[in-house]
Order: sequence, then structure tokens, then C-alpha cells
Amino acid sequence: TQLLEQSPQFLSIQEGENLTVYCNSSSVFSSLQWYRQEPGEGPVLLVTVVTGGEVKKLKRLTFQFGDARKDSSLHITAAQPGDTGLYLCAGVVNTGKLIFGQGTTLQVKP
Amino acid sequence: EAGVAQSPRYKIIEKRQSVAFWCNPISGHATLYWYQQILGQGPKLLIQFQNNGVVDDSQLPKDRFSAERLKGVDSTLKIQPAKLEDSAVYLCASSLGLAGRPYEQYFGPGTRLTVT
Repeated sequence: TQLLEQSPQFLSIQEGENLTVYCNSSSVFSSLQWYRQEPGEGPVLLVTVVTGGEVKKLKRLTFQFGDARKDSSLHITAAQPGDTGLYLCAGVVNTGKLIFGQGTTLQVKP
Repeated sequence: EAGVAQSPRYKIIEKRQSVAFWCNPISGHATLYWYQQILGQGPKLLIQFQNNGVVDDSQLPKDRFSAERLKGVDSTLKIQPAKLEDSAVYLCASSLGLAGRPYEQYFGPGTRLTVT
């Protein structure tokens, strides 16, 4: 069974602070995705990482895929209240099926 | 471009009753997914359709859940009879499938089901 463990599960920080969310698995995935979900809405895709060691940047968000394609991290620089939400990592298997982690709830206080 | 549409947005039923959810994917998307998201957890895939055929239903509780996508477009997910543990948000997603970027899924807003 392929599982993804996210940590931390909850994070409450002040505006301007930096944070990192981790996503770990014992399984290898063909690619890994990060989503952000706001209350009452479905998840929205932020990024897909495909190559081991790959780093992608999306404004203040930096995503990294582990060399062995089993783990990933999301780093947010100078967090803002608008970053508040549920962050989900998802491993992609060959049929396009997504295996989601349990999510990290981020609260950024002004 | 219109997104994935789902209805109803909210539903409250008593245990042992039946309920159905409807999903209209993005036009042209061949692959449709139904996920269950229990509060505090990530979404769990229930069933994946490629056009009107089932690709993966390994985690669908088939004794009470059923889903169909008869014309390869809209889909319905049914629960009969509902149990308390079915309380969750039911998300529908779609993707281009084999024709495009198969792994970029677009999610609808979900249906929040409460079973009392």
C-alpha cells in the first residue's frame, strides 16, 4: 500500500515568517503534486514535480522533489494571510490515480 | 472555460437513507474521478472512469456505493443505504486523460454529506 505522510499536520505562524511542509513515502512515485484547498472548495493544483532532485518556484513557494522520488517539500517564504489553507501533497501512479497525504493546515496570522 | 460542476453542495440525510450526487466534468475531459474526503484527511479515490469505462474502483465500498458515467460525460455517485461514517465531502475531478496532460486533475467544489 502506497502512503504519503505529511508533517506537520497543523501550523500557525505570524505573517512574514518562513515555513516548510514535508511529504514522505516509502514508495517511489512517477511524479508528485502539491495542491491547496480552501474551505468549501476543491483542491487546486499548485505544481507537479517529475524529476528526482527537481526544484520549482512559484512566487514565494519553493517545491522540491527528493532525489529518490519518494519525498517532497514545500517552503513558503515570508508567509502572508492569503497563504492560509490546507496544503496537500499527492503522489501520482501510472494510471493517473492520486494518493494524497493527510494534509497540512496552515494558518497565517496578520 | 467552465470548471467541474457538482450538485447538490450540501446534503443532510438520516442513516439508512439513500443519496445521489451529480458531477459534470470540464468539456472534453475523458477521465473522471470521485473522491471521498473525511474531515481532517486528504481525499481518497473511490472510482476512476476513462470515458464510460471503469479504470479503478478498488476502494469503492461496492455493497453500498455505486457510480455510473453512462454517456462518458456526466456522472452520478450513489450511496444506499448511508452509514454515519459516510459523512464526508465528496469531490469530483476530471482530467484530459490520455489525450493531454493526464495527471492534471481539476476538482469541483464538492458535496458535503452529513449522515445523522
